[in-house]
Amino acid sequence: DSGVTQTPKHLITATGQRVTLRCSPRSGDLSVYWYQQSLDQGLQFLIQYYNGEERAKGNILERFSAQQFPDLHSELNLSSLELGDSALYFCASSVRSSILDEQYFGPGTRLTVT
Amino acid sequence: GQSLEQPSEVTAVEGAIVQINCTYQTSGFYGLSWYQQHDGGAPTFLSYNALDGLEETGRFSSFLSRSDSYGYLLLQELQMKDSASYFCAVGSNYQLIWGAGTKLIIKP
Repeated sequence: DSGVTQTPKHLITATGQRVTLRCSPRSGDLSVYWYQQSLDQGLQFLIQYYNGEERAKGNILERFSAQQFPDLHSELNLSSLELGDSALYFCASSVRSSILDEQYFGPGTRLTVT
Repeated sequence: GQSLEQPSEVTAVEGAIVQINCTYQTSGFYGLSWYQQHDGGAPTFLSYNALDGLEETGRFSSFLSRSDSYGYLLLQELQMKDSASYFCAVGSNYQLIWGAGTKLIIKP
């Protein structure tokens, strides 16, 4: 158990809908990262927050947005969902802002868009 | 553009040594990380190299040559539980760019 929690574990929704994925980092970690992993592929970095501020942005679609709240938990919002958005979404956390620091991953949220 | 290449699959025998290579092309490089992911699980951190040379952590070692844009992960005394996918990831322009992963198959 990494100490990072993600909810929900599974989500099935229809095209065009909007969903929110939630992540609670390990106690004491200030950075939160969001990744997308499609079937049998590597992880695609979406976005990083550090202590409430956006720190880095990857290839995140305009339909996707995220934020980190004062209690450091984070939410990833996915809207106008398409079939291709079906994937495993991971949240990770680390103590500092450096992306090379050990990142602790949550169990992921499996999103299925039908 | 940015790219990472690693073999899609490697097979080895229990108790042996295996090396997983990673070559990269990227701008603003500042380090190479390695993660392990078991089927259905979350990635777990193994190591990172910011400077040239070898980093050793127990049975796992990681090497980086910045001049060759090349690194590798070395796994010794392979155990069946090491069967997993291994990802190299490059730190570049504040992002962690991930390779497609190497599936390590271990035979008894």
